[in-house]
Amino acid sequence: DAKTTQPPSMDCAEGRAANLPCNHSTISGNEYVYWYRQIHSQGPQYIIHGLKNNETNEMASLIITEDRKSSTLILPHATLRDTAVYYCIVRLTGNYQLIWGAGTKLIIKP
Amino acid sequence: KAGVTQTPRYLIKTRGQQVTLSCSPISGHRSVSWYQQTPGQGLQFLFEYFSETQRNKGNFPGRFSGRQFSNSRSEMNVSTLELGDSALYLCASSLIVVTSTDTQYFGPGTRLTVL
Repeated sequence: DAKTTQPPSMDCAEGRAANLPCNHSTISGNEYVYWYRQIHSQGPQYIIHGLKNNETNEMASLIITEDRKSSTLILPHATLRDTAVYYCIVRLTGNYQLIWGAGTKLIIKP
Repeated sequence: KAGVTQTPRYLIKTRGQQVTLSCSPISGHRSVSWYQQTPGQGLQFLFEYFSETQRNKGNFPGRFSGRQFSNSRSEMNVSTLELGDSALYLCASSLIVVTSTDTQYFGPGTRLTVL
């Protein structure tokens, strides 16, 4: 079973920051948080991952709480092309598998 | 660098037939994982191959099988197709997947429809 909980859907206005929350209260100390997104019927696209420090790359920022029980993915200036399903995943240790939940459907509105 | 490629992109088969899907990983990547995605079950892990050996396996029946070649290309096979096998089959590659930070990159998928 997935170790993450995400809201099923969110809206965001174009040009604003999109903040996608994720709860992972049972995360273990060595397990990383990964974010992927999937635009309709395409393969998932890697966004970012982190362990306990905040991370930023050209696509997004990842903010992980100090207790590591939740995180937030931030898309700083959302565009219509950011409309997708966003998956927050805790990567297992041992076999390093990605266990996928249902994700958040993010709709960017003009 | 070219991404993960999957062929064919679309496939229509009838019940009872078998099908073979192909995946070419990113150059230099040695691990290939396969996933099945359906509207009802979401993304589910099928199996992972590294150096021509199946390293991990998900909870799927034996009708689902795979293999990896010496050039890291991988194929998966589904025998005796059932209607419920209709899905998007995704392939992901990574360098070695022996650490938590070895990122998996996905191909566009093969859309299989079983009639």
